[in-house]
Amino acid sequence: QLVLTQSPSASASLGASVKLTCILSSGHSSNAIAWHQQQPETGPRYLMRLNSDGSHSKGDGIPDRFSGSSSGAERYLTISSLQSEDEADYYCQTWGTGINWVFGGGTKLTVV
Amino acid sequence: EVHLVESGGGLVQPGRSLRLSCAASGFTFDDYAMHWVRQVPGKGLEWVSGISWNSGSIVYADSVKGRFTISRDNAKNSLYLQMNSLRAEDTALYYCAKGGIGSGYFYGHFDYWGQGSLVTVSS
Repeated sequence: QLVLTQSPSASASLGASVKLTCILSSGHSSNAIAWHQQQPETGPRYLMRLNSDGSHSKGDGIPDRFSGSSSGAERYLTISSLQSEDEADYYCQTWGTGINWVFGGGTKLTVV
Repeated sequence: EVHLVESGGGLVQPGRSLRLSCAASGFTFDDYAMHWVRQVPGKGLEWVSGISWNSGSIVYADSVKGRFTISRDNAKNSLYLQMNSLRAEDTALYYCAKGGIGSGYFYGHFDYWGQGSLVTVSS
């Protein structure tokens, strides 16, 4: 069974950078993932698809401040020059035959 | 511009049925898989069901298998979720989501989401 593990919360200062982590469970370190952002009281928004080699493709209109990287079973979302509107929940997602689609528990990012 | 608009949610008693709809626009609907994802208020995202471009592949989460039925009408650019034998634990905001890869691919990321339709199951 594939599990995606995310820290429940993170915080960073306005204008700083933050790196969020999504960890794929054992045996699934080659899986691609996607990152989604959910601002308060809105539907999720697709940020990017992130492959195991760190290559990524972003969604429409996603600023350059958002980037992704990978290391082994860990997938990262880095947000630089943090703005107040970046305060949101961030979810990782993966998929596959027999896995179907799985979401991580989400990380609540606070911009202080 | 891609738009996904859910409708059909509401308050329903346990054991009853409800049908959700998702109207899609701004892309070639019959080229993409589509999905339903739900979220209990204040909690995380749970994938519910997915359907391929031609309805040839359909899968469900174990939590809804045998009770929910996903379908689509490509002529109407619409996705549906028939929910039967509803339980209190089905109470959630239900999102329609678009598969991110066209040309008949089923598995892949989601690249657009609707704003959700709230389903409340309570007596």
